[in-house]
Amino acid sequence: QQQVRQSPQSLTVWEGETAILNCSYENSAFDYFPWYQQFPGEGPALLISILSVSDKKEDGRFTIFFNKREKKLSLHIADSQPGDSATYFCAASAGNTGNYKYVFGAGTRLKVIA
Amino acid sequence: EAAVTQSPRNKVAVTGGKVTLSCNQTNNHNNMYWYRQDTGHGLRLIHYSYGAGSTEKGDIPDGYKASRPSQENFSLILELATPSQTSVYFCASAQGDFGPGTRLTVL
Repeated sequence: QQQVRQSPQSLTVWEGETAILNCSYENSAFDYFPWYQQFPGEGPALLISILSVSDKKEDGRFTIFFNKREKKLSLHIADSQPGDSATYFCAASAGNTGNYKYVFGAGTRLKVIA
Repeated sequence: EAAVTQSPRNKVAVTGGKVTLSCNQTNNHNNMYWYRQDTGHGLRLIHYSYGAGSTEKGDIPDGYKASRPSQENFSLILELATPSQTSVYFCASAQGDFGPGTRLTVL
């Protein structure tokens, strides 16, 4: 049973476009949602995160939109650059933000074409 | 300098052999985690620890043991390695600071 689902599995966009990566979850107890960026041969790196009390979080070109009622969230990457080409993981955890026992989605592989 | 390091970075083992993967963190975080990453599954939690001397089972602990002898070090132990344990293993400390990974191949 996969508690965190991501779509699409892969996504190709042109440079300058907005890439939209989707994530949904099943466990209502999840209240913290980090997104990770992973380049080949490297470990995942925290990109941006949101708490369930918020419906939006921005950090530069990266924005998370969160819909608690529908248990869905999305990562928007504005003005996509070739350097954004990577795999993006949505994760979720329950309890306070000190508990980093995450459940990960299977990832979305993003390719940005110049 | 990276706060979470792993060794070895690559390992080839034989079926039935013992494998130890090591992780060191300089963050002074209490919590540490071991995940494996396989295509189509994302990262799955194997074991975690709340501090020196503590180990807890994650979501897929079967076939693995863990050891946390100190705040800085957290090891993952495969007593009898099997080909199904071929994967990339990541260690993380609290706040999601991941190491670079260990690629393990069990022949």
